Amino acid sequence: NAGVMQNPRHLVRRRGQEARLRCSPMKGHSHVYWYRQLPEEGLKFMVYLQKENIIDESGMPKERFSAEFPKEGPSILRIQQVVRGDSAAYFCASSPIALRYNEQFFGPGTRLTVL
Amino acid sequence: DQQVKQNSPSLSVQEGRISILNCDYTNSMFDYFLWYKKYPAEGPTFLISISSIKDKNEDGRFTVFLNKSAKHLSLHIVPSQPGDSAVYFCAATEGNNAGNMLTFGGGTRLMVKP
Repeated sequence: NAGVMQNPRHLVRRRGQEARLRCSPMKGHSHVYWYRQLPEEGLKFMVYLQKENIIDESGMPKERFSAEFPKEGPSILRIQQVVRGDSAAYFCASSPIALRYNEQFFGPGTRLTVL
Repeated sequence: DQQVKQNSPSLSVQEGRISILNCDYTNSMFDYFLWYKKYPAEGPTFLISISSIKDKNEDGRFTVFLNKSAKHLSLHIVPSQPGDSAVYFCAATEGNNAGNMLTFGGGTRLMVKP
């Protein structure tokens, strides 16, 4: 059973370009979470999605960032007009159901570098 | 406003000895706590968790202790092994929060010397 998959693992963008990060949850998992880790810091929650629904986006910047989890295909985190401050590791996690105390399984992350 | 804090950025321990990693939190609504282990260039891996109705949970070499009155938890690893060298993150969640959003501490880098 494959774990959470993220691609690309590394992404380099110039300022002003768009970054698209993909996450395929574990088989049977319908809940996806995105976290961002800035250098030398802990992971910070960005957004929680279920299939075709954004449940909680309280951690996501209001501008330039968007996320989706379509009925078919991976979850996408999209960053428009990237700036140097967007350089970070972006981790996706999935869980089978939004019950309390459910462990979240993390992917390997996408390391975004903005030049 | 950091709701979960790990005040020691690094810890060095001799192989075979005990490693104690500490975590403090400020949000009294947190009722479930988790420890994740992270190797470089990998995602965090779940290690052990504890509910606020308990004060101790043990799994093999790993034990987590929770002191609710002090809003403090700790992870004990005994005996420590070189393969335990990694960054350890403490995380917390509120029971009434939709989707189990995790709030992470800044991490402690553990180095176990052979």
